[in-house]
Amino acid sequence: SQQGEEDPQALSIQEGENATMNCSYKTSINNLQWYRQNSGRGLVHLILIRSNEREKHSGRLRVTLDTSKKSSSLLITASRAADTASYFCATAFSGTYKYIFGTGTRLKVLA
Amino acid sequence: DGGITQSPKYLFRKEGQNVTLSCEQNLNHDAMYWYRQDPGQGLRLIYYSQIVNDFQKGDIAEGYSVSREKKESFPLTVTSAQKNPTAFYLCASSMRVEEGSGANVLTFGAGSRLTVL
Repeated sequence: SQQGEEDPQALSIQEGENATMNCSYKTSINNLQWYRQNSGRGLVHLILIRSNEREKHSGRLRVTLDTSKKSSSLLITASRAADTASYFCATAFSGTYKYIFGTGTRLKVLA
Repeated sequence: DGGITQSPKYLFRKEGQNVTLSCEQNLNHDAMYWYRQDPGQGLRLIYYSQIVNDFQKGDIAEGYSVSREKKESFPLTVTSAQKNPTAFYLCASSMRVEEGSGANVLTFGAGSRLTVL
């Protein structure tokens, strides 16, 4: 399978704590994206990091990319109950339409 | 509001029946996609279309068919040949991917949940 893998599969934290989830992938990429999915809903794009970038920030989100290790991490700081969702990474080759999604991390933030 | 509309939200099918899931977008996106999601798993690509009247198989196309007669529409038919069709189906769209520029961001619909009785 070409699917990426997220780690951990599930994460439960208290409100206000930071949440870190990791993504590993198998092939060379042009960019890596993170998406969020609330239960039973469609996915929403969070952030995109290109292969020549090492770190990117967006609000409370921080993404890192290590192309030598074929891995990425998503950090959510000062988590809120509303952050409870599943988070997926997605990768694609340059110029391709085939996005490969990971298996997701289910995050639960306890109020 | 611009977006993607999937219908129906819930669908029940008897074994041996074909069903068609609708996907319409008003984002003026060239590319459209169908993904399948099973519990505890990531998304798997069924079909994608880069432009009107053209589409390609994804990783799990067997038992499915699509058409792309209009830019706005990309319906998915789940045929009786699909052995395990019960799943959550997600449609997405994106701007056209230019060679060398890398993949674009996907915009997703709310999904259609198909259950085979």
